Amino acid sequence: DQQVKQNSPSLSVQEGRISILNCDYTNSMFDYFLWYKKYPAEGPTFLISISSIKDKNEDGRFTVFLNKSAKHLSLHIVPSQPGDSAVYFCAASGSNDYKLSFGAGTTVTVRA
Amino acid sequence: GAGVSQSPSNKVTEKGKDVELRCDPISGHTALYWYRQSLGQGLEFLIYFQGNSAPDKSGLPSDRFSAERTGGSVSTLTIQRTQQEDSAVYLCASSLAVTGAYEQYFGPGTRLTVT
Repeated sequence: DQQVKQNSPSLSVQEGRISILNCDYTNSMFDYFLWYKKYPAEGPTFLISISSIKDKNEDGRFTVFLNKSAKHLSLHIVPSQPGDSAVYFCAASGSNDYKLSFGAGTTVTVRA
Repeated sequence: GAGVSQSPSNKVTEKGKDVELRCDPISGHTALYWYRQSLGQGLEFLIYFQGNSAPDKSGLPSDRFSAERTGGSVSTLTIQRTQQEDSAVYLCASSLAVTGAYEQYFGPGTRLTVT
């Protein structure tokens, strides 16, 4: 069963505007969440993470928000740039778990 | 430094043939993972190696799949008697620590096509 869900397979946004990617999870044991970015023909690369003890983590243009009660997290990219066009995967794990459970990904296209 | 490398980058094989996929993790990384990404799906965990511990094979979809890691470094994923549903991108990742709290570094993947 899919424990991490990204319900939007694609997102198109104009350069300079905000991109908001959403992710929902079902396993209450998850307490560490990551976002990965993937370009075609390359492996996913780590982007940003958040622990369940926080509700926000910011790194430059990227901010991840966590709502534990709703089992929901989101990634904000602002301002969006053409180089941000990629597939973004949400992933989660428990603190004593080495496995990452991934969502199906959201393809972001930033229009010039 | 060098990242995770995988070979071949692409593999086309006939149904029923065996294939071997190779992964070279980042030097010093003790944990190694194999994932599979089928079309339109997320990454599916296959198998995990950590040091000299017994691997976690719980994600392998059938007994046609096996993997080994020699000398705590290079790993090979073998698929016997390939089927069309095995067509996917196979990704290898390595990390320093055993929990998901440490980022996993991915290789570029091997795209397997079974005809």
